Amino acid sequence: EPEVTQTPSHQVTQMGQEVILRCVPISNHLYFYWYRQILGQKVEFLVSFYNNEISEKSEIFDDQFSVERPDGSNFTLKIRSTKLEDSAMYFCASRTTPNSYEQYFGPGTRLTVT
Amino acid sequence: AQKITQTQPGMFVQEKEAVTLDCTYDTSDPSYGLFWYKQPSSGEMIFLIYQGSYDQQNATEGRYSLNFQKARKSANLVISASQLGDSAMYFCAMREINFGNEKLTFGTGTRLTIIP
Repeated sequence: EPEVTQTPSHQVTQMGQEVILRCVPISNHLYFYWYRQILGQKVEFLVSFYNNEISEKSEIFDDQFSVERPDGSNFTLKIRSTKLEDSAMYFCASRTTPNSYEQYFGPGTRLTVT
Repeated sequence: AQKITQTQPGMFVQEKEAVTLDCTYDTSDPSYGLFWYKQPSSGEMIFLIYQGSYDQQNATEGRYSLNFQKARKSANLVISASQLGDSAMYFCAMREINFGNEKLTFGTGTRLTIIP
């Protein structure tokens, strides 16, 4: 069964460093998402992406964040200058068509900023 | 205001008993959907069940059923014949559609522990 994959599974970085989290959505999916879950808290929407542009972003998704689909298969989330409070699990999700409802989640990348 | 409310931070249930996890939601949109996801200790988000706002019947998926009461704006998850492997965090989420853009808004979750 096709699945969303994410790499790395765990990333440790120092405050102020740039990180890129990678996701490979399911191949025929058109809509892509990033969510964040700070340890012990609820999952929060960051950004949605369709047709090579951002569809919607939350107030969390400030200028430090950017997303890209560089090659038609990968979907990346970049954090330019990480802060301690960026430590969280980051989930990528994808969805097929406008009429489909299920977002398929990847296994997540745990980002630890020290 | 919270759009998704899960009032049970933790629950302990005896194995083989049925369990109901509560979820209430707040929206003025006529078209929306409600999900339940399971998050085991390994961290992944596992889709369990979905209910669309226009669906006439309550959704069921194996041992999972969704008790959808639209007038009360509640979408409780019922797990029948609970198993030890059901121990996990459970999140209720609402699908919001805004000018064609779609996102999920999650509740704070319920930690379910099944006791042998």
